Amino acid sequence: AAGVIQSPRHLIKEKRETATLKCYPIPRHDTVYWYQQGPGQDPQFLISFYEKMQSDKGSIPDRFSAQQFSDYHSELNMSSLELGDSALYFCASSLRTSGRVLGGPNYNEQFFGPGTRLTVL
Amino acid sequence: GQNIDQPTEMTATEGAIVQINCTYQTSGFNGLFWYQQHAGEAPTFLSYNVLDGLEEKGRFSSFLSRSKGYSYLLLKELQMKDSASYLCAPQDNFNKFYFGSGTKLNVKP
Repeated sequence: AAGVIQSPRHLIKEKRETATLKCYPIPRHDTVYWYQQGPGQDPQFLISFYEKMQSDKGSIPDRFSAQQFSDYHSELNMSSLELGDSALYFCASSLRTSGRVLGGPNYNEQFFGPGTRLTVL
Repeated sequence: GQNIDQPTEMTATEGAIVQINCTYQTSGFNGLFWYQQHAGEAPTFLSYNVLDGLEEKGRFSSFLSRSKGYSYLLLKELQMKDSASYLCAPQDNFNKFYFGSGTKLNVKP
């Protein structure tokens, strides 16, 4: 089965440079989430998109922006990179449903991509 | 706000049973997920509870009590490959996950 694809898998940048991370969700999934995970930390939610519109925003710095395109892939753009931006960046996708079936399948499950490891030197 | 609490680290022996507890407070609730994460890898889904009670999936079981804001993940017949971090993630009404800090499980021979 197709999984979430992220590219690149590894990225090395200098301070003050820019970086673009790409995420290709599972086909027919309509929601994309971005997470940042620093060393030894839990994933921190950055931002999410539903049907190409921003649906929620977490602890995303103003230097970062993201969007979801017509083919549902998403890009996270990071500018003026800082040393503290070095982390694993995960993208996850899910299929949102409008209702809720008690005891039903875990349709809200987020499927995570393999992550992009960003190193800022 | 969101408050998720789980032990930082646990150690257990191969073949044993271990229970990882999680307490949570979220504004709105739409189920609770447990994810397994090996170092440097993506979290992978283990279990989901939206109703009170126990969900069993092979060697893994997860329990939920919504009134108590409490869940646990039970791992039986521990294997060395179970050494990983286990993330408790309640979900709010807007499908947003809140990850706990994770419990690092060390399985020793």
